[in-house]
Amino acid sequence: SQQGEEDPQALSIQEGENATMNCSYKTSINNLQWYRQNSGRGLVHLILIRSNEREKHSGRLRVTLDTSKKSSSLLITASRAADTASYFCATGAGNNRKLIWGLGTSLAVNP
Amino acid sequence: DVKVTQSSRYLVKRTGEKVFLECVQDMDHENMFWYRQDPGLGLRLIYFSYDVKMKEKGDIPEGYSVSREKKERFSLILESASTNQTSMYLCASTQSRGAGYTQYFGPGTRLTVL
Repeated sequence: SQQGEEDPQALSIQEGENATMNCSYKTSINNLQWYRQNSGRGLVHLILIRSNEREKHSGRLRVTLDTSKKSSSLLITASRAADTASYFCATGAGNNRKLIWGLGTSLAVNP
Repeated sequence: DVKVTQSSRYLVKRTGEKVFLECVQDMDHENMFWYRQDPGLGLRLIYFSYDVKMKEKGDIPEGYSVSREKKERFSLILESASTNQTSMYLCASTQSRGAGYTQYFGPGTRLTVL
């Protein structure tokens, strides 16, 4: 079942610009994770933010979480052509080993 | 680094064939998952396993079965392949405790059923 909804579905920007994508979810969570998928490949974990955290950074990535609005955003600063990929959010809850996945945002960074 | 490998990157099979997709992880993870990914539908969970010989249905188990005889290996079986099973199949694993059940993925198998 899909819980997360990413917004926008597709995003096209120029190299050097910032890219922001959003994720909304429906139920209570323990954590929210972002993954990247390069074309035709498996997903790679980028960052995890716990429900008691509001913001987290990793290199050029900044993630925010607003549990009152049940939403998260992923900001990629100073984007590069190599950032071209699909980005997925996934939520984890309680002791449930399964993650609930969104449908993804397709990001194109033009050189 | 965690490594998850899948037996094939590309596979072409005929309708009615029995198809085996293999997944191996080298990090002693308890949990393993099989997803299929189709355009516009995201990742859909087929089956997962939380221990050897244990399995649980995901959201779309129909037409699939799984086998986990060893901790490191999780197999997805299409008993009689059909054209609507043409898809990208992704295997993932995760440890049981901590790390928020972060999933580690294999490179995927793109299966075409003719």
